[in-house]
This record gives sequence, C-alpha cells and structure tokens, in this order.
Amino acid sequence: QVQLQESGPGLVEPSQTLFLTCTVSGASITSGNYYYAWIRQTAGKGLEWLGRIFPNGGGMYSPSLRGRITISVDQSTNQISLKLSSVTAADTGIYFCARGSRGSYWLHPLDSWGQGTTVTVS
Amino acid sequence: EIVLTQSPGTLSVSPGERVTLSCRASQNVSGKFVAWYLKKPGQSPRLLIYSASTRATGIPDRFSGSGSGTDFTLTISSLEPEDFGVYFCQQHGNSPQVFGPGTKVDV
Repeated sequence: QVQLQESGPGLVEPSQTLFLTCTVSGASITSGNYYYAWIRQTAGKGLEWLGRIFPNGGGMYSPSLRGRITISVDQSTNQISLKLSSVTAADTGIYFCARGSRGSYWLHPLDSWGQGTTVTVS
Repeated sequence: EIVLTQSPGTLSVSPGERVTLSCRASQNVSGKFVAWYLKKPGQSPRLLIYSASTRATGIPDRFSGSGSGTDFTLTISSLEPEDFGVYFCQQHGNSPQVFGPGTKVDV
C-alpha cells in the first residue's frame, strides 16, 4: 500500500520561497500509471488544487499560482517536491500531496493522500 | 477553467437523516468526471465518489452520487455520526482539477 509523507520548514518568512517534499513509500514513483498532485487547505479557500506532475515530468499548475510554483520529481529518492516563491500570509495553510491514477485520456481522482504539513508564513 | 459551486454552505442535520448536497459547474464537465471527498479536522480528505456515481473502495452504500453536465449531487441515505465534516466536490478528469468551496455538515 502506497504511503505519502509531506515534510517542510513549518515557518517561512514573507517574500521567501517555500520548499516542501513528499516522500512516497510502498511503491516506486515510476511504476504504474500515476500522477501526483499538491493541494492545500487555507482558511479562506477550503481545498485548493495547486498542480500535478507525471513521473516522467510534465507539470501543470493552477492559473492563480502560475509563475510562482514548480513541482518536480526526483526518481532517485522517490520524492515529489513543491517550490512556491514570493510567499505571503495568504499561502499559510496545510499542504497535502496526493496520488491518482491516469487513464488513457483522463485523470482518475486522488485516492491516496499524505497527512499534510502545516506551513505558516510570518 | 471550470468553477465549481456547492450548496448549501452549511447543513445542520441529525444522525439518521437523509442528506443531499449539490455541486454545480460553470460549464459542462466532460465524462461526468466529478469526485466527492469528505474532510474532517486533522485528517486528510477521503475519496467517496468518482466519475459522478462510482463509490470508491470501502465506501458504504449509504453514499451515492448522481448527475451529469453541470449539476451533480451527493446523497447520504441515512447519516451516521462519523459522516460529519466538510464535503468537497472536484472536477478530476483533467487539469486544473478544481475543488468546490465545500459544504459543512454538522449537528
């Protein structure tokens, strides 16, 4: 059974860059037809989809964050990373990584989630 | 980009009651690719329904989903105490996989 575990600094200063890591265990990132996504829960916006990536690359991002966000894959460490630049208090929240499977043309929903990591911008 | 709206914003109910939640999309959702999740405090979201009407693994049959086009519904036939929380719908077929704002179901 796949498990996902987010990790990060907890506290980030405004205007700095946030780096989060999602460690995948119980399965190789490159096995099967899966994609990985980052989602956050903030006080004002409920659940917000931030972006997703396929293991061979190919990220897509929320239009509201485009230009600030990068999601990448490290196959050697079986990790997914999130980089979010120029953070403000509005980026405070709980950040989740999750996995879903890929169909031929469509994406299936996110059925495996990490427990989340809390990020405070202050 | 599709925008999802959910109603009501909050629903106060009692165990045993039937609950109907609505999710409306700003444009047609191709393939009926709408999912429903339950989020409880301190927990990660749990997938309940996908492709509008298919229950996820291990989800009891009191949960059912329906709809197509722009209007989708999640129904809980008889609410159990563990069903309280915030329900989110999501367009999952392609990116961006937007979420709705959520419906809080409480006592």
